[in-house]
Amino acid sequence: QKEVEQNSGPLSVPEGAIASLNCTYSDRGSQSFFWYRQYSGKSPELIMSIYSNGDKEDGRFTAQLNKASQYVSLLIRDSQPSDSATYLCAVLSGNTPLVFGKGTRLSVIA
Amino acid sequence: DAGVIQSPRHEVTEMGQEVTLRCKPISGHNSLFWYRQTMMRGLELLIYFNNNVPIDDSGMPEDRFSAKMPNASFSTLKIQPSEPRDSAVYFCASSRSTSGIHNEQFFGPGTRLTVL
Repeated sequence: QKEVEQNSGPLSVPEGAIASLNCTYSDRGSQSFFWYRQYSGKSPELIMSIYSNGDKEDGRFTAQLNKASQYVSLLIRDSQPSDSATYLCAVLSGNTPLVFGKGTRLSVIA
Repeated sequence: DAGVIQSPRHEVTEMGQEVTLRCKPISGHNSLFWYRQTMMRGLELLIYFNNNVPIDDSGMPEDRFSAKMPNASFSTLKIQPSEPRDSAVYFCASSRSTSGIHNEQFFGPGTRLTVL
């Protein structure tokens, strides 16, 4: 069974710091990786996707992928209180739908 | 472009009643997914369709749950009879898949169901 693991948190960081969110996955054949942000009472919103090893930057967000270690992370630079949300890692393998982790709750303290 | 549309946004019903949730996927998307989210279990995939055909319904908890997709722009999730433990937020999501390979999914706003 394909699994995606995340620390549930809460992860608390001060405003302006770097928040680091981590995710591991079980299927070595996984090829696509996504980060969703979910505010309380709202639906998941896609914020980043990454497909190859290395880093991918988009504004204050950086996704990092290491397929050998089966590890994907999301860095948020200059964290803001508005970044406080639950972050869901999702992994795509073959012709099956996305497998989601249970999410990490991030709290940015002003 | 309109995103995924779900209705109703909130539903409060009594145990034993039938509940029907509705979803309109993003135009051009050919895969549709129904999820249930609770604090305890997180986001659970209930069923998904590809080109209007149900592909995997192994996540449907019981025979009380059923889903249909009569055409490319409409799907329903029905619970009959409903029970208090069905209380959750139900999300519909859609994606564009090519040759059976899925891409990123886009979620609707969800239906918050409360069964008393």
